[in-house]
Amino acid sequence: EVQLLESGGGLVQPGGSLRLSCAASGFTFSNYWMSWVRQAPGKGLEWVANIRQDGSKTYYVDSVKGRFTISRDNAKNSLYLQMNSLRAEDTALYYCARDQTPQYSGVFYDAFDIWGQGTVVTVSS
Amino acid sequence: AIQMTQSPSSLSASVGDRVTITCRASQGIRNDLGWYQQKPGKAPKLLIYAASTLQSGVPSRFTGSGSGTDFTLTISSLQPEDLATYFCLQDYNYPRTFGQGTKVELK
Repeated sequence: EVQLLESGGGLVQPGGSLRLSCAASGFTFSNYWMSWVRQAPGKGLEWVANIRQDGSKTYYVDSVKGRFTISRDNAKNSLYLQMNSLRAEDTALYYCARDQTPQYSGVFYDAFDIWGQGTVVTVSS
Repeated sequence: AIQMTQSPSSLSASVGDRVTITCRASQGIRNDLGWYQQKPGKAPKLLIYAASTLQSGVPSRFTGSGSGTDFTLTISSLQPEDLATYFCLQDYNYPRTFGQGTKVELK
């Protein structure tokens, strides 16, 4: 079964750090771009970051640049999000998502076809 | 960052109704847009990518259209299981940005 399973969330004080993990199974992890998407309580979705198949390219939303780092270990079929200098506004449910990256006429698209169940991060004193 | 504006924010409809949700981009994004459905307490589900391509396994009552700045998700005949919040997502450039969501409720 194709599956993503996040872990590592929890309660942390402002300024603290957490490392989220996403374990992939049922597919060839190294073939896919991967993303983190978050959702604050009662709010909409926010794309956070993504990473190329080989880890050579990463992109971030401006609000986390310099504080969060996305990485992957293809040998372990795992995606990570290192979160430093956490703020109250980082409180959210964090999802990892697989991007099937379909291509048409030479153009690559995003298509987040597999999602984990999410892990909750709460930043509070 | 490109701003994605969805309308309406919520709507009430009856089973069998035709439902239309729109998403407007703050600049042209070609057809680099996807639609996602999220049910309460669940992860989002991919419905459509590249503005109009139906994801495998998604019922054909869902259709997407548009290009440039204006996009539409249409549910041709609303079913009880379609009650959810729908989000658009632009993948034209970084950072990727979602619309604020449209909640579809039963009348």
